[in-house]
Amino acid sequence: DAGITQSPRHKVTETGTPVTLRCHQTENHRYMYWYRQDPGHGLRLIHYSYGVKDTDKGEVSDGYSVSRSKTEDFLLTLESATSSQTSVYFCAISDRGGTDTQYFGPGTRLTVL
Amino acid sequence: GQQLNQSPQSMFIQEGEDVSMNCTSSSIFNTWLWYKQDPGEGPVLLIALYKAGELTSNGRLTAQFGITRKDSFLNISASIPSDVGIYFCAGRARGGGADGLTFGKGTHLIIQP
Repeated sequence: DAGITQSPRHKVTETGTPVTLRCHQTENHRYMYWYRQDPGHGLRLIHYSYGVKDTDKGEVSDGYSVSRSKTEDFLLTLESATSSQTSVYFCAISDRGGTDTQYFGPGTRLTVL
Repeated sequence: GQQLNQSPQSMFIQEGEDVSMNCTSSSIFNTWLWYKQDPGEGPVLLIALYKAGELTSNGRLTAQFGITRKDSFLNISASIPSDVGIYFCAGRARGGGADGLTFGKGTHLIIQP
């Protein structure tokens, strides 16, 4: 298994509060991704990173921001959580970006009340 | 953006039966990947395909990259109870960069003993 951990694994928060999810990898892979998974929508890309301090938006980036200050850590922040952001969030890593496979973390289940 | 149509949505089969599922895209893909997801866990890579016409096996699993580059299928032979889960196809379109994968919505496989 690829060395990917996500924290927390579960979180319940209230509407309007900021939330930060962490993805940590021990594989020294260059590329990191945040997806959300919702019934009927499958996995959708939120943001991705192609190196330290290099990030870009994905398909569903509104309401989310990311940061990558170290190769091993990729943070996803919900500035002001809304109920529509209740979801399961997955981090993924890849070492060759456009042509290589992605390996997923165990996920974080976030509930916004 | 690209869309992947994955079918069937769900399958109810008897233990020991063979399983077949497929994905089609509206555009040409350079990479096809098949993942399996168990409840409460992240997707796990099963098979990766990088060339049109490529046929790859992983134990009882066989996947093919369609000649047209717009489809892929996954077969599971002699299904067993631990094959239960959600199977996702994923792909990267020709010319796609590091910006993640496009996922199908999954096939739920349910096996009756």
